[in-house]
Amino acid sequence: SAVISQKPSRDICQRGTSLTIQCQVDSQVTMMFWYRQQPGQSLTLIATANQGSEATYESGFVIDKFPISRPNLTFSTLTVSNMSPEDSSIYLCSVSGGAVGEQYFGPGTRLTVT
Amino acid sequence: KQEVTQIPAALSVPEGENLVLNCSFTDSAIYNLQWFRQDPGKGLTSLLLIQSSQREQTSGRLNASLDKSSGRSTLYIAASQPGDSATYLCAVNSGNTPLVFGKGTRLSVIA
Repeated sequence: SAVISQKPSRDICQRGTSLTIQCQVDSQVTMMFWYRQQPGQSLTLIATANQGSEATYESGFVIDKFPISRPNLTFSTLTVSNMSPEDSSIYLCSVSGGAVGEQYFGPGTRLTVT
Repeated sequence: KQEVTQIPAALSVPEGENLVLNCSFTDSAIYNLQWFRQDPGKGLTSLLLIQSSQREQTSGRLNASLDKSSGRSTLYIAASQPGDSATYLCAVNSGNTPLVFGKGTRLSVIA
């Protein structure tokens, strides 16, 4: 299994500012995923982050709004840019690992935009 | 495009009851199916993973079954307890791709 930590665990931000969320994994992984969970909703994939290449974004998500870095095999960041109240969500980092590709999740970052 | 549906959306049961949560998916070409538990405002805890070649997995009071051909999975919880109250999420993937999630079943177990 993989142990994933995220920073910050929660934050309250002003409209128009940006927040960078960090994700650290205790082992080297090829693929890391960023999900968003809006209030009362299920998880939606934002992007897949591979080390050494550009992140792949899902429909409806763009790099200017959600830039992602993946400097090495154990770390990634997601920035939520020019925030609005609609960005208030839980943001979760995830990795796929092990022999059968089980997916593991971090504890999430709870973002509130006022 | 894969779509995952979970029924019911919410369920309230008295303590001690056995219960079944349902999950269906539209594309049967899956690699893994995972069941997760999520407590309010928290991250996800993986409960069970069923590979496409498997029919079921068990962990304690939990049993998950998979009928890949019909695109269905069930999560059976035996002798429910108040501590089981949470949202249960079903998710599937194809190969080394990210999971696609259902909207979850919100379970309340009443003491």
